Amino acid sequence: DIQMTQSPSTLSASVGDRVTITCRASQSISSWLAWHQQKPGKAPKVLIYKASTLESGVPSRFSGSGSGTEFTLTISSLQPDDFATYYCQQYNSYWTFGQGTKVEIK
Amino acid sequence: EVQLVESGGGLVQSGGSLRLSCEASGFRFSSFSMNWVRQAPGKGLEWLSYISRTSSTIYYADSVKGRFTISRDNAKNSVSLQMSSLRAEDTAVYYCVRDYDSDAASWGQGTLVTVSS
Repeated sequence: DIQMTQSPSTLSASVGDRVTITCRASQSISSWLAWHQQKPGKAPKVLIYKASTLESGVPSRFSGSGSGTEFTLTISSLQPDDFATYYCQQYNSYWTFGQGTKVEIK
Repeated sequence: EVQLVESGGGLVQSGGSLRLSCEASGFRFSSFSMNWVRQAPGKGLEWLSYISRTSSTIYYADSVKGRFTISRDNAKNSVSLQMSSLRAEDTAVYYCVRDYDSDAASWGQGTLVTVSS
């Protein structure tokens, strides 16, 4: 099974900060990686798929990069609506999620 | 607009059974594979099961293999998850998720299953 490791687990940041979250796969997954945002009490929402494709309606301050085993999600300028938990997910072989990164207000 | 609406959650005793359903609209249901994912209280996301467009291919996570059964009815635009031998650790919000294609996956709003011991 493919394992996904996210870092950090928690991130404290201020509005306007540039934020980067990293995700590592235990084996190559090509570009079959997605990033999801989840707010308390709500279903997750896809932000990015195929490693770098922005889902329709998602603000352009979100971007994804990487291939193989190393991936990053970047928020170029953190907004109040962005404080949430973020999950990476591989869909190369079955599905596996990272453990999540909670982005908190500093 | 893609819509996935789960139903069937509730309170069940340990060892009991429950059937979850997910009704799809806003897209050609028969053209997409479907998945179930769950999230225990305060925990992360766990993929449970996959069913292909024609039901010819089905996968399960080890944690539910032999206890849960996924199925779909393309005529009714629905996918189901039959859960049996439920345990306290199955307590979670269960999400129906449309698979990736050329588009991104899409999530339902979830249904809560509580297993009492």
